[in-house]
Amino acid sequence: GAGVSQSPSNKVTEKGKDVELRCDPISGHTALYWYRQSLGQGLEFLIYFQGNSAPDKSGLPSDRFSAERTGGSVSTLTIQRTQQEDSAVYLCASSLGSGGHEKLFFGSGTQLSVL
Amino acid sequence: AQSVAQPEDQVNVAEGNPLTVKCTYSVSGNPYLFWYVQYPNRGLQFLLKYITGDNLVKGSYGFEAEFNKSQTSFHLKKPSALVSDSALYFCAVTYGNNRLAFGKGNQVVVIP
Repeated sequence: GAGVSQSPSNKVTEKGKDVELRCDPISGHTALYWYRQSLGQGLEFLIYFQGNSAPDKSGLPSDRFSAERTGGSVSTLTIQRTQQEDSAVYLCASSLGSGGHEKLFFGSGTQLSVL
Repeated sequence: AQSVAQPEDQVNVAEGNPLTVKCTYSVSGNPYLFWYVQYPNRGLQFLLKYITGDNLVKGSYGFEAEFNKSQTSFHLKKPSALVSDSALYFCAVTYGNNRLAFGKGNQVVVIP
């Protein structure tokens, strides 16, 4: 596609439920990133993929969070047993490479609301 | 610890006046520095980056930023602000494992 696509755009769930957030990166982009944006907190790094492997998972806030990437393309961020503090906008970004100097292309995000 | 500081929560500027958004960083080694902008109801967009070379880098929409190694700063500037520049601006720095760390963001309000 022309840009990074995230789905759903909005997700409302009940506390304790599991949710899956999907990211379709730009075709040919080998690096994929997940960030979380909370009001007044800026962007919090969650995880980064190079191809299908995740060299850096240290940003995941707890073991309730996991992510995978298949075929070097689509990525899914899963949050198990959601808590109210998980409410935020989850942003996905991709880049052509992972040299650190590449610019990131961001999706529009998934607004997650945990009631 | 690696960090990015954007000391002002909000920057108010009159249309036509110069705009400056401040950023300082604390990263070991030689950093890669970026500015991104988030317009209302839209995703983050790349504005400009500093990798190496000339300390003054020019980016999209007339913005520029100056890398100052001694002051560990990378302030964003625009000579004449437009109302359409009102947005949320993020400074970011790459460090170790190619992680991009973002500042909290600055809300810029350009007053007509």
